[in-house]
Amino acid sequence: ETGVTQSPTHLIKTRGQQVTLRCSSQSGHNTVSWYQQALGQGPQFIFQYYREEENGRGNFPPRFSGLQFPNYSSELNVNALELDDSALYLCALTGVRSEQYFGPGTRLTVT
Amino acid sequence: GEDVEQSLFLSVREGDSSVINCTYTDSSSTYLYWYKQEPGAGLQLLTYIFSNMDMKQDQRLTVLLNKKDKHLSLRIADTQTGDSAIYFCAGRSNDYKLSFGAGTTVTVRA
Repeated sequence: ETGVTQSPTHLIKTRGQQVTLRCSSQSGHNTVSWYQQALGQGPQFIFQYYREEENGRGNFPPRFSGLQFPNYSSELNVNALELDDSALYLCALTGVRSEQYFGPGTRLTVT
Repeated sequence: GEDVEQSLFLSVREGDSSVINCTYTDSSSTYLYWYKQEPGAGLQLLTYIFSNMDMKQDQRLTVLLNKKDKHLSLRIADTQTGDSAIYFCAGRSNDYKLSFGAGTTVTVRA
């Protein structure tokens, strides 16, 4: 039990729409990372937030954006959804030894 | 960035030891991790090792790190049916992101 929660658990959207995914934890963690896991693959790093600022970004287009709030909860926003955006989206909180603890994920299906 | 490679499948008999192998390319990796993912679930952190260590043991899990060959392995002793899952190794470089392999699907047979 990591104490990391994500919502919603499942989501179905249509191509071209926008989506917001959420991540929170019971205890405050000042660093949150988001990953995309396509079916049959390992997670791919999207970006990381530290104290409400983006701290690093992977090879994802600008239509993937994020926010981190003062209570350290976080959002991932994806605009202009494409079919290839269908995946499991995972957020991860960083522990004191830089280990990352993942939430259960949000399964996004784009039709 | 980090490239991480793993064999895709491993089948093991219940009670035997499982050994999952991983190679990575980035010699500046400071931490290396093993995660477990069960169907429909997120990733569970199993164990991790600092790059200045050769071995770490945690109950049934043993991690071996060969920095010269950039090779990491996870040994699971007395493998049980509940160990059936996908196992990912991941490396963390100084930029804090994790780079994952494609995962090894472990199937435990009776």
